[in-house]
Amino acid sequence: AIQMTQSPSSLSASVGDRVTITCRASQGVRNDLGWYQQKPGKAPKLLISAASSLQSGVPSRFSGSGSGTDFTLTISSLQPEDFATYYCLQDYNYPRTFGQGTKVEIK
Amino acid sequence: EVQLLESGGGLVQPGGSLSLSCAASGFTFSTYAMSWVRQAPGKGLEWVSGISGGSSGAFYADSVKGRFTISRDNSKNTLFLIMNSLRAEDTAVYYCASGLWSGPIDYWGQGTLVTVSS
Repeated sequence: AIQMTQSPSSLSASVGDRVTITCRASQGVRNDLGWYQQKPGKAPKLLISAASSLQSGVPSRFSGSGSGTDFTLTISSLQPEDFATYYCLQDYNYPRTFGQGTKVEIK
Repeated sequence: EVQLLESGGGLVQPGGSLSLSCAASGFTFSTYAMSWVRQAPGKGLEWVSGISGGSSGAFYADSVKGRFTISRDNSKNTLFLIMNSLRAEDTAVYYCASGLWSGPIDYWGQGTLVTVSS
């Protein structure tokens, strides 16, 4: 199975900060990677698919980049509603595998 | 509107069995792959199993292979997960999720809690 290594595991940031989360695959996954946001007690929500394609209704402050083994999720200006846990998921092959998650907390 | 509604969770003893169901609506169920994803208390997401729209393909995480079986009934728009030989480490919220077979998971249910404990 492909291993997805996500970093950092947690970060503290202030409203307005630029935040970057990275995900590295143990082998190439082309651009078959999605980013998800999860808030406590809620199901995850797909933010970005195909590494960089923003889902409908997702604010433009979210962006994704990368291909192959290295990927990045960037929040250009952190908003109060963005405090949550973020996960990457490779959909290149089965079994699907998630990164360990990054908890974004208020500084 | 896509809706995925899980049911069947509960308390089960170690070594026991449990069956989960997921009722789907708001999309053409038979054309979408379906997955089960779980989240242990305070932990991250773990993909458990997936099945293609026509049931020709099914895959499992190594952690559940040989113990869990995924299936679907397209005539009833329902996804199933039969869980045998349950262990304490299977305790989690189990989410039903949909997506293209070769694409991302895009819709999620609200989850059902499975607790394995004596």
